[in-house]
Amino acid sequence: QVQLQESGPGLVKPSQTLSLTCTVSGGSINGDEYYWTWIRQSPGKGLEWIGHISYRGFTHYNPSLKSRLSISVDKSQNQFSLKLGSVTAADTAVYYCAREGVLSSTAFFDYWGQGTLVTVSS
Amino acid sequence: DIQMTQSPSSLSASVGDRVTITCRASQSINMYLNWYQHKPGKAPKLLIYAASTLQSGVPSRFSGSGSGTDFSLTISSLQPDDFATYSCQQSHSTPWTFGQGTKVEIK
Repeated sequence: QVQLQESGPGLVKPSQTLSLTCTVSGGSINGDEYYWTWIRQSPGKGLEWIGHISYRGFTHYNPSLKSRLSISVDKSQNQFSLKLGSVTAADTAVYYCAREGVLSSTAFFDYWGQGTLVTVSS
Repeated sequence: DIQMTQSPSSLSASVGDRVTITCRASQSINMYLNWYQHKPGKAPKLLIYAASTLQSGVPSRFSGSGSGTDFSLTISSLQPDDFATYSCQQSHSTPWTFGQGTKVEIK
């Protein structure tokens, strides 16, 4: 059973960089059939796809965040990470990592972490 | 971006009720529509992908239908474990987008 677990600071100051890591267990991060994804949910709002990365390091970002965003992968640690720069209160959210699979030409998120709350505040 | 609109935003129902949640896309997404269940503090769960295919391990009381712009998720007989928030997500084109969620509460 694949499991994902987010880790990182729960409080970040405005204008600083939010950094989170997702550790994958019960399966390898290697494999062309999956992307490794970050998703967030701000208070009172719906889920928002942030971006994803393949094990080869190919990335695709949400254009709304692209200028501040970097997602990387560490195959040796079976981890992938998120860095979001110049944060404001609008970046306060529960951040989830997830595995994105493709079947029958459709992409979906079949395994998720429990989420971690990141608050942007001074 | 493709906008996803769910209705209702919340509903109250009793155990055993039949519940239907709808999701509308701002443009045609064929059948590239997935449904998730999420509860506070727990990992969200994939219920249905490609509009109507039940994810392995998901009870058969959950079903999905629709194509194009209009979709629905039906729970045929609501169980205590089903009180949660449900979200739709399109996988037609990036950025992938979600509906705002429908909270199913106990009546």
